[in-house]
Amino acid sequence: RKEVEQDPGPFNVPEGATVAFNCTYSNSASQSFFWYRQDCRKEPKLLMSVYSSGNEDGRFTAQLNRASQYISLLIRDSKLSDSATYLCVVSALNTGGFKTIFGAGTRLFVKA
Amino acid sequence: GAGVSQSPRYKVAKRGQDVALRCDPISGHVSLFWYQQALGQGPEFLTYFQNEAQLDKSGLPSDRFFAERPEGSVSTLKIQRTQQEDSAVYLCASSNEIGPWDEQYFGPGTRLTVT
Repeated sequence: RKEVEQDPGPFNVPEGATVAFNCTYSNSASQSFFWYRQDCRKEPKLLMSVYSSGNEDGRFTAQLNRASQYISLLIRDSKLSDSATYLCVVSALNTGGFKTIFGAGTRLFVKA
Repeated sequence: GAGVSQSPRYKVAKRGQDVALRCDPISGHVSLFWYQQALGQGPEFLTYFQNEAQLDKSGLPSDRFFAERPEGSVSTLKIQRTQQEDSAVYLCASSNEIGPWDEQYFGPGTRLTVT
């Protein structure tokens, strides 16, 4: 079982739709959680951190459920420019400092 | 300001050749990470530096892979006797903090093709 698992998609949605991605992680000692966005042939960039209380940034809402060990990302009013791969990221302290584990990513295509 | 830079951007190596990939992190960033990203996959952790100390190299796939950051800034990832399975994008990232809670800033990557 992978440490961080995501549905690879692709999710094909029309403009204006609401779409949600989930991600599960296996290490219960994980401490930090993020969503990164990666455009085709580009480097990953931070979309948002995920806090226990949940957090919102414009059209994007992230939730963390520690008991069930999953993270979600909700995108409202999808735009064409939201088309990308969304990477779930989990970090945990270990003896070497800390380790960051990326999921394989969920691909989103937003169509006009 | 300047972001993370990597060179070369593209590298084609014949099987068995040695390659060296360079990463220039954001100035002053303490933490530096190397990742390997295969097509259609997320970045896979290779190694982590805190200043010049390599604190975690558990992700390096074999002893053909070696990374260094001798002065705590620029880092080099070296792959000896390259194999076809080494073909991937190698991403470098840096972070201002030494904990797991900070944003990592990625470079554009080096696309390595081993023929």
